[in-house]
Amino acid sequence: AQRVTQPEKLLSVFKGAPVELKCNYSYSGSPELFWYVQYSRQRLQLLLRHISRESIKGFTADLNKGETSFHLKKPFAQEEDSAMYYCAASEKLVFGKGTKLTVNP
Amino acid sequence: DTEVTQTPKHLVMGMTNKKSLKCEQHMGHRAMYWYKQKAKKPPELMFVYSYEKLSINESVPSRFSPECPNSSLLNLHLHALQPEDSALYLCASSGSPGGARNEQYFGPGTRLTVT
Repeated sequence: AQRVTQPEKLLSVFKGAPVELKCNYSYSGSPELFWYVQYSRQRLQLLLRHISRESIKGFTADLNKGETSFHLKKPFAQEEDSAMYYCAASEKLVFGKGTKLTVNP
Repeated sequence: DTEVTQTPKHLVMGMTNKKSLKCEQHMGHRAMYWYKQKAKKPPELMFVYSYEKLSINESVPSRFSPECPNSSLLNLHLHALQPEDSALYLCASSGSPGGARNEQYFGPGTRLTVT
């Protein structure tokens, strides 16, 4: 079955510390992978997609086909990064359960 | 216009009521989606419309009835709902039809409470 796994429900770091949100997928073929973010009281919005290989708000994510992972990383976390982060995969947009990131001052 | 809009923002309805949720986008997207999101859970796909035709129905109960009047509008008609149907209902759109291979733009959602 197609599945996206985010093993950490909650993640708490201090401002300026590196942060890594883990995502593993189980898919046949070559799925398209995304990271979505939901800030408090805001709509769900796309943060990154693996095919564009870009950096948004200092976040990057690399697709590792060998490990079937798509971890989200940022070298220096900011308080405004506190939000709910969802990893998602196509064909139908299947979401992981999400990781709530809290960046403490 | 690069937003997906949804109305109403909040809706309270009884189990015998009939109501509709509305979604609109003017980005020329050809695929539109309905998701259900319970508190502290990820969104769950309900329906996908591709070029105004229903292409995916994720075994959603018939008390939820989607409708796509044109390429910019998507409705979700509700009838005889149960209290467990209370949730945030999200609409999304994307540029390409036939699946979710492109990035989706989400609306703010309608918070539905069934009493």
